[in-house]
Amino acid sequence: DIQMTQSPSTLSASVGDRVTITCRASQSISSWLAWYQQKPGKAPKLLIYKASSLESGVPSRFSGSGSGTEFTLTISSLQPDDFATYYCQQYNSPPWTFGQGTKVEIK
Amino acid sequence: EVQLVESGGGLVQPGGSLRLSCAASGFTFSSYWMSWVRQAPGKGLEWVANIKQDGSEKYYVDSVKGRFTISRDNAKNSLYLQMNSLRAEDTAVYYCARTPKANNFDYWGQGTLVTVSS
Repeated sequence: DIQMTQSPSTLSASVGDRVTITCRASQSISSWLAWYQQKPGKAPKLLIYKASSLESGVPSRFSGSGSGTEFTLTISSLQPDDFATYYCQQYNSPPWTFGQGTKVEIK
Repeated sequence: EVQLVESGGGLVQPGGSLRLSCAASGFTFSSYWMSWVRQAPGKGLEWVANIKQDGSEKYYVDSVKGRFTISRDNAKNSLYLQMNSLRAEDTAVYYCARTPKANNFDYWGQGTLVTVSS
């Protein structure tokens, strides 16, 4: 199975900050990576697919990059609505696996 | 508008069974792979199973193989998860998710809670 490791596990930031979350795969997954945002008590929401493609309706302050084994999710200017937990997910091969999550908290 | 509505969760004893359902609307259900993803209380996301458009291919995470069965009824726009031999570690919110080309999960239901406890 492909293991996905996110860092950091928790991130404290202020509104307006640039935020970067890293996701590493235990083997190459090409660009078969997605990012999700989840708020407490809610279902996850797809933000980015194929490592860098922005899902329709997602604000342009979110961006994704990377290929192979190292990927990043960047929020260019953190907004109040962005405080949430973020997950990466690989879909290179089954079983589809998620990172453990990164919680973005208010500093 | 795409909508996915899960039902069937509840409290069940260890070793028991439960059948989850997911009613889909707002898109051509028969054109998409569909998946179940779960989240244990306070934990991360875990993909459980997915199924091809016509039901001819199914995949499961190892921990549920032989115990869970995913199925679909395209005439009823519905996805199912039959869960047998339930264990305490199966306790989670179970989400139904649309899965374009067996890849990521672009729409999710609100989830249904399954609690396995005596």
